[in-house]
Amino acid sequence: DIVMTQSPSSLAVSAGETVTINCKSSQSLLSSGNQKNYLAWYQQKPGQSPKLLIYLASTRESGVPDRFIGSGSGTDFTLTISSVQAEDLADYYCQQHYSYPLTFGSGTKLEIK
Amino acid sequence: EVQLVETGGGLVQPGRSLKLSCVASGFTFSSYWMYWIRQAPGKGLEWVSSINTDGGSTYYPDSVKGRFTISRDNAENTVYLQMNSLRSEDTATYYCANGYNFFDYWGQGVMVTVSS
Repeated sequence: DIVMTQSPSSLAVSAGETVTINCKSSQSLLSSGNQKNYLAWYQQKPGQSPKLLIYLASTRESGVPDRFIGSGSGTDFTLTISSVQAEDLADYYCQQHYSYPLTFGSGTKLEIK
Repeated sequence: EVQLVETGGGLVQPGRSLKLSCVASGFTFSSYWMYWIRQAPGKGLEWVSSINTDGGSTYYPDSVKGRFTISRDNAENTVYLQMNSLRSEDTATYYCANGYNFFDYWGQGVMVTVSS
Protein backbone atom coordinates (compact mmCIF):
# COMPACT_ATOMS: atom_id res chain seq x y z
CA ASP A 1 0.00 0.00 0.00
CA ILE A 2 1.14 3.57 -0.71
CA VAL A 3 1.46 5.54 2.51
CA MET A 4 0.77 9.27 2.29
CA THR A 5 2.47 11.49 4.86
CA GLN A 6 1.23 15.05 5.26
CA SER A 7 2.88 17.90 7.09
CA PRO A 8 2.31 19.96 9.08
CA SER A 9 -0.68 18.49 10.90
CA SER A 10 -1.88 21.99 11.69
CA LEU A 11 -0.90 25.59 11.11
CA ALA A 12 -2.22 29.03 11.87
CA VAL A 13 -1.67 31.99 9.58
CA SER A 14 -2.95 35.52 9.18
CA ALA A 15 -5.12 36.50 6.27
CA GLY A 16 -3.03 37.52 3.27
CA GLU A 17 -0.15 35.17 4.05
CA THR A 18 0.97 32.26 1.89
CA VAL A 19 0.57 28.70 3.15
CA THR A 20 2.44 25.58 2.08
CA ILE A 21 1.19 22.06 2.86
CA ASN A 22 3.39 19.09 2.08
CA CYS A 23 2.51 15.56 1.08
CA LYS A 24 4.99 12.73 0.63
CA SER A 25 4.17 9.32 -0.82
CA SER A 26 5.98 6.09 0.02
CA GLN A 27 6.16 5.24 -3.70
CA SER A 28 6.38 7.34 -6.82
CA LEU A 29 3.05 8.57 -8.17
CA LEU A 30 4.55 9.38 -11.57
CA SER A 31 3.28 7.28 -14.44
CA SER A 32 6.05 6.38 -16.86
CA GLY A 33 3.46 6.02 -19.60
CA ASN A 34 2.10 9.57 -19.63
CA GLN A 35 4.44 11.43 -17.24
CA LYS A 36 1.51 12.43 -15.05
CA ASN A 37 1.49 12.42 -11.26
CA TYR A 38 -1.58 10.86 -9.69
CA LEU A 39 -2.10 13.07 -6.64
CA ALA A 40 -5.23 14.94 -5.58
CA TRP A 41 -5.95 17.59 -2.94
CA TYR A 42 -9.23 18.16 -1.07
CA GLN A 43 -10.58 20.88 1.17
CA GLN A 44 -13.04 20.08 3.95
CA LYS A 45 -14.61 23.07 5.67
CA PRO A 46 -16.13 22.59 9.14
CA GLY A 47 -19.36 20.61 8.98
CA GLN A 48 -19.13 20.09 5.21
CA SER A 49 -18.26 17.31 2.80
CA PRO A 50 -14.80 17.35 1.24
CA LYS A 51 -14.35 19.25 -2.00
CA LEU A 52 -11.90 18.41 -4.77
CA LEU A 53 -9.36 21.18 -5.33
CA ILE A 54 -6.67 19.64 -7.53
CA TYR A 55 -6.02 16.36 -9.34
CA LEU A 56 -3.08 15.03 -11.34
CA ALA A 57 -0.92 16.99 -8.90
CA SER A 58 -1.46 20.38 -10.52
CA THR A 59 -4.77 20.46 -12.43
CA ARG A 60 -7.16 22.79 -10.68
CA GLU A 61 -10.79 21.66 -10.56
CA SER A 62 -13.25 23.95 -12.30
CA GLY A 63 -14.28 26.86 -10.09
CA VAL A 64 -11.36 26.56 -7.67
CA PRO A 65 -9.68 29.95 -7.12
CA ASP A 66 -6.26 30.30 -8.72
CA ARG A 67 -4.68 31.04 -5.33
CA PHE A 68 -4.71 27.25 -4.82
CA ILE A 69 -1.69 25.78 -6.58
CA GLY A 70 -0.58 22.16 -6.66
CA SER A 71 2.98 21.20 -7.50
CA GLY A 72 5.50 18.41 -7.17
CA SER A 73 6.44 15.14 -8.81
CA GLY A 74 7.39 11.60 -7.94
CA THR A 75 7.02 11.32 -4.18
CA ASP A 76 6.98 14.95 -3.01
CA PHE A 77 4.04 17.27 -3.49
CA THR A 78 2.91 20.66 -2.25
CA LEU A 79 -0.35 22.56 -1.99
CA THR A 80 0.27 26.30 -1.88
CA ILE A 81 -2.46 28.72 -0.91
CA SER A 82 -1.46 32.27 -1.71
CA SER A 83 -3.05 35.25 0.01
CA VAL A 84 -5.02 33.10 2.45
CA GLN A 85 -8.55 34.27 3.16
CA ALA A 86 -10.77 33.66 6.19
CA GLU A 87 -12.93 31.33 4.08
CA ASP A 88 -9.94 29.00 3.60
CA LEU A 89 -10.32 27.79 7.20
CA ALA A 90 -10.51 24.03 6.64
CA ASP A 91 -8.85 20.64 6.77
CA TYR A 92 -6.81 19.75 3.69
CA TYR A 93 -6.09 16.20 2.53
CA CYS A 94 -3.90 14.74 -0.16
CA GLN A 95 -4.83 11.44 -1.86
CA GLN A 96 -2.97 9.23 -4.27
CA HIS A 97 -5.01 8.02 -7.24
CA TYR A 98 -2.13 6.03 -8.73
CA SER A 99 -2.98 2.56 -7.48
CA TYR A 100 -5.28 0.53 -5.26
CA PRO A 101 -5.85 0.74 -2.40
CA LEU A 102 -6.52 4.45 -2.77
CA THR A 103 -5.02 6.23 0.23
CA PHE A 104 -5.23 9.64 1.90
CA GLY A 105 -2.85 11.69 3.94
CA SER A 106 -3.79 12.29 7.57
CA GLY A 107 -4.82 15.88 6.93
CA THR A 108 -3.68 19.42 7.71
CA LYS A 109 -5.83 21.75 9.76
CA LEU A 110 -5.55 25.37 8.61
CA GLU A 111 -6.52 28.01 11.13
CA ILE A 112 -6.73 31.72 10.51
CA LYS A 113 -5.28 33.98 13.21
CA GLU B 1 -26.13 20.45 -10.97
CA VAL B 2 -24.56 17.26 -9.68
CA GLN B 3 -26.30 15.83 -6.62
CA LEU B 4 -25.47 12.75 -4.60
CA VAL B 5 -27.85 11.89 -1.77
CA GLU B 6 -26.98 9.13 0.67
CA THR B 7 -29.55 7.36 2.84
CA GLY B 8 -29.75 4.29 5.04
CA GLY B 9 -27.52 5.20 7.96
CA GLY B 10 -28.34 4.76 11.61
CA LEU B 11 -27.52 2.92 14.82
CA VAL B 12 -26.77 -0.79 14.46
CA GLN B 13 -25.45 -3.43 16.83
CA PRO B 14 -22.06 -5.04 16.29
CA GLY B 15 -22.27 -8.04 13.97
CA ARG B 16 -25.42 -6.80 12.25
CA SER B 17 -25.90 -5.49 8.71
CA LEU B 18 -26.85 -2.22 7.09
CA LYS B 19 -27.31 -1.13 3.47
CA LEU B 20 -26.55 2.39 2.30
CA SER B 21 -27.92 3.92 -0.88
CA CYS B 22 -26.76 6.90 -2.90
CA VAL B 23 -29.02 8.41 -5.55
CA ALA B 24 -27.27 10.46 -8.21
CA SER B 25 -28.51 13.20 -10.50
CA GLY B 26 -27.11 15.91 -12.73
CA PHE B 27 -24.63 13.75 -14.65
CA THR B 28 -24.60 10.62 -16.81
CA PHE B 29 -24.44 8.12 -13.96
CA SER B 30 -23.69 5.09 -16.14
CA SER B 31 -20.50 6.74 -17.45
CA TYR B 32 -18.85 7.23 -14.09
CA TRP B 33 -17.10 5.01 -11.60
CA MET B 34 -18.62 5.43 -8.15
CA TYR B 35 -17.03 5.32 -4.72
CA TRP B 36 -17.70 5.17 -1.00
CA ILE B 37 -15.40 7.00 1.40
CA ARG B 38 -15.81 7.19 5.18
CA GLN B 39 -14.70 9.46 8.00
CA ALA B 40 -14.73 8.35 11.62
CA PRO B 41 -15.72 11.08 14.09
CA GLY B 42 -12.91 13.62 14.35
CA LYS B 43 -10.67 11.56 12.07
CA GLY B 44 -9.41 11.61 8.49
CA LEU B 45 -10.74 10.16 5.27
CA GLU B 46 -10.64 6.47 4.33
CA TRP B 47 -11.55 5.06 0.92
CA VAL B 48 -14.00 2.16 1.33
CA SER B 49 -14.94 0.86 -2.11
CA SER B 50 -15.04 1.49 -5.86
CA ILE B 51 -17.21 0.17 -8.67
CA ASN B 52 -16.71 0.58 -12.39
CA THR B 53 -19.33 1.81 -14.84
CA ASP B 54 -21.11 -1.50 -15.49
CA GLY B 55 -20.64 -2.95 -12.02
CA GLY B 56 -18.36 -5.71 -13.26
CA SER B 57 -15.32 -4.63 -11.26
CA THR B 58 -15.19 -3.71 -7.59
CA TYR B 59 -12.38 -2.82 -5.21
CA TYR B 60 -12.03 -2.70 -1.43
CA PRO B 61 -9.34 -2.06 1.18
CA ASP B 62 -8.43 -4.96 3.46
CA SER B 63 -10.30 -3.30 6.34
CA VAL B 64 -13.70 -4.05 4.74
CA LYS B 65 -12.95 -6.77 2.18
CA GLY B 66 -15.26 -9.74 2.63
CA ARG B 67 -17.70 -7.73 4.77
CA PHE B 68 -18.78 -4.86 2.48
CA THR B 69 -20.21 -5.11 -1.03
CA ILE B 70 -20.66 -2.23 -3.45
CA SER B 71 -23.18 -2.49 -6.27
CA ARG B 72 -25.03 -0.20 -8.64
CA ASP B 73 -28.26 0.08 -10.61
CA ASN B 74 -27.66 2.26 -13.65
CA ALA B 75 -31.37 2.30 -14.46
CA GLU B 76 -32.07 3.84 -11.06
CA ASN B 77 -28.94 6.05 -10.90
CA THR B 78 -28.14 4.48 -7.56
CA VAL B 79 -25.05 2.99 -5.92
CA TYR B 80 -25.30 0.81 -2.84
CA LEU B 81 -23.04 -0.30 -0.02
CA GLN B 82 -24.06 -3.50 1.75
CA MET B 83 -22.25 -3.66 5.07
CA ASN B 84 -22.22 -6.97 6.95
CA SER B 85 -20.58 -8.09 10.21
CA LEU B 86 -20.33 -4.49 11.34
CA ARG B 87 -17.74 -3.55 13.95
CA SER B 88 -17.38 -0.57 16.26
CA GLU B 89 -14.51 0.67 14.09
CA ASP B 90 -16.94 1.00 11.16
CA THR B 91 -18.61 3.91 12.96
CA ALA B 92 -18.25 6.86 10.60
CA THR B 93 -19.89 9.23 8.20
CA TYR B 94 -20.11 7.50 4.84
CA TYR B 95 -19.89 9.58 1.65
CA CYS B 96 -20.55 8.52 -1.90
CA ALA B 97 -18.65 10.20 -4.70
CA ASN B 98 -18.02 10.02 -8.41
CA GLY B 99 -14.74 10.52 -10.20
CA TYR B 100 -11.71 8.88 -11.76
CA ASN B 101 -10.00 7.28 -8.75
CA PHE B 102 -10.00 10.76 -7.32
CA PHE B 103 -13.29 11.97 -5.94
CA ASP B 104 -14.94 14.71 -7.94
CA TYR B 105 -18.37 15.30 -6.39
CA TRP B 106 -19.34 14.18 -2.89
CA GLY B 107 -22.66 13.64 -1.21
CA GLN B 108 -23.55 15.19 2.14
CA GLY B 109 -22.78 11.94 3.94
CA VAL B 110 -24.73 9.58 6.15
CA MET B 111 -23.83 8.58 9.70
CA VAL B 112 -23.42 4.95 10.68
CA THR B 113 -22.99 4.15 14.37
CA VAL B 114 -22.10 0.61 15.41
CA SER B 115 -22.77 0.14 19.09
CA SER B 116 -24.58 -2.16 21.47
